[in-house]
Amino acid sequence: KAGVTQTPRYLIKTRGQQVTLSCSPISGHRSVSWYQQTPGQGLQFLFEYFSETQRNKGNFPGRFSGRQFSNSRSEMNVSTLELGDSALYLCASSSGQDGYTFGSGTRLTVV
Amino acid sequence: GESVGLHLPTLSVQEGDNSIINCAYSNSASDYFIWYKQESGKGPQFIIDIRSNMDKRQGQRVTVLLNKTVKHLSLQIAATQPGDSAVYFCAERDGNNDMRFGAGTRLTVKP
Repeated sequence: KAGVTQTPRYLIKTRGQQVTLSCSPISGHRSVSWYQQTPGQGLQFLFEYFSETQRNKGNFPGRFSGRQFSNSRSEMNVSTLELGDSALYLCASSSGQDGYTFGSGTRLTVV
Repeated sequence: GESVGLHLPTLSVQEGDNSIINCAYSNSASDYFIWYKQESGKGPQFIIDIRSNMDKRQGQRVTVLLNKTVKHLSLQIAATQPGDSAVYFCAERDGNNDMRFGAGTRLTVKP
């Protein structure tokens, strides 16, 4: 069974640009959550999608957005990038019951 | 954010010794807990979980203990190996189905 796939693995962007990250969950999983991980703040919850609907949202500015498609694949978008957005962005999928399985993440560097 | 990650607690053990990693959670309504292991450059990996109606659960070389009275969770690793060196996170699921992560503990195993 394939795991959670995140693309791309690494990304370098310039301040002011926007970026879209992709996450393909485990087959059959309908819940996808996104997290930002930085050395200074640890793992912080961004949002969760379930059956194409945003179910929960963390305390991030509106520049951070996401969506989920009918096949449960999810994308997150960050607009007007700032240096502080440099982080590892992790996606986790769940069947909605227990256990969140994480992808390897996308390492975003904003210069 | 929920995590304070400026300085990760660290635990250093000798290969072959047992390790105990502790986590305090905040929400008495949390009903489900997970331990994750994160190696450098990788996403968090599920280790073991426990529901709030249990006090103890055992896996292969790992045991999770839950003390609801003092809102404390621990992960015990038997016969710690160099491959166990990583950052370990606890996570709790609260009554709103939100997952919250601890800051993590860095485990270093000395050969």
